[in-house]
Amino acid sequence: NAGVTQTPKFQVLKTGQSMTLQCAQDMNHEYMSWYRQDPGMGLRLIHYSVGAGITDQGEVPNGYNVSRSTTEDFPLRLLSAAPSQTSVYFCASGGGQVYTEAFFGQGTRLTVV
Amino acid sequence: GENVEQHPSTLSVQEGDSAVIKCTYSDSASNYFPWYKQELGKRPQLIIDIRSNVGEKKDQRIAVTLNKTAKHFSLHITETQPEDSAVYFCAARGGSNYKLTFGKGTLLTVNP
Repeated sequence: NAGVTQTPKFQVLKTGQSMTLQCAQDMNHEYMSWYRQDPGMGLRLIHYSVGAGITDQGEVPNGYNVSRSTTEDFPLRLLSAAPSQTSVYFCASGGGQVYTEAFFGQGTRLTVV
Repeated sequence: GENVEQHPSTLSVQEGDSAVIKCTYSDSASNYFPWYKQELGKRPQLIIDIRSNVGEKKDQRIAVTLNKTAKHFSLHITETQPEDSAVYFCAARGGSNYKLTFGKGTLLTVNP
């Protein structure tokens, strides 16, 4: 039981490049979400999903896309990277009694130059 | 949307003392209030939560209280230990959706 697994752990992108951050969970959780964490800003919700085929926007969705084709996977796509997207990204999942961010992945530290 | 304010931003206590962190929220329909602990360079960990139909919840040395009328909730840590040192985040889930809004965090330092 690996929990929530994010890849990669570190990434450097050039402005304008696109990439996908991967997130997978093996707990059969219906709820999954993506956050970014910036110094002094706490955690801000980017997108979330309450089940396969269902996604919705969070507080800061611009510049990011998500899809949820399976219960296990919830990838986050950066369409055209900008320096303002330099951040630490966390994926989270939850289900059952805790239909919210019960478990977080280890994070992806992204730098856009 | 929901707005969550968290105080203080930093808190320093002596080992064995108690620590209290307070949060206020704006959406009176919010119904779920979790607390997370994040050690330096690590992922956030859910440590305790409370739902709107409960006033207080305890788990060993930590407790959370909720005052729905005043729209505030607090985290209480008793008999603090150096390993309690971390950033603590409160959060609130709005009543109309599953979105979780976080406070900006409290850096707790427990001095031996």
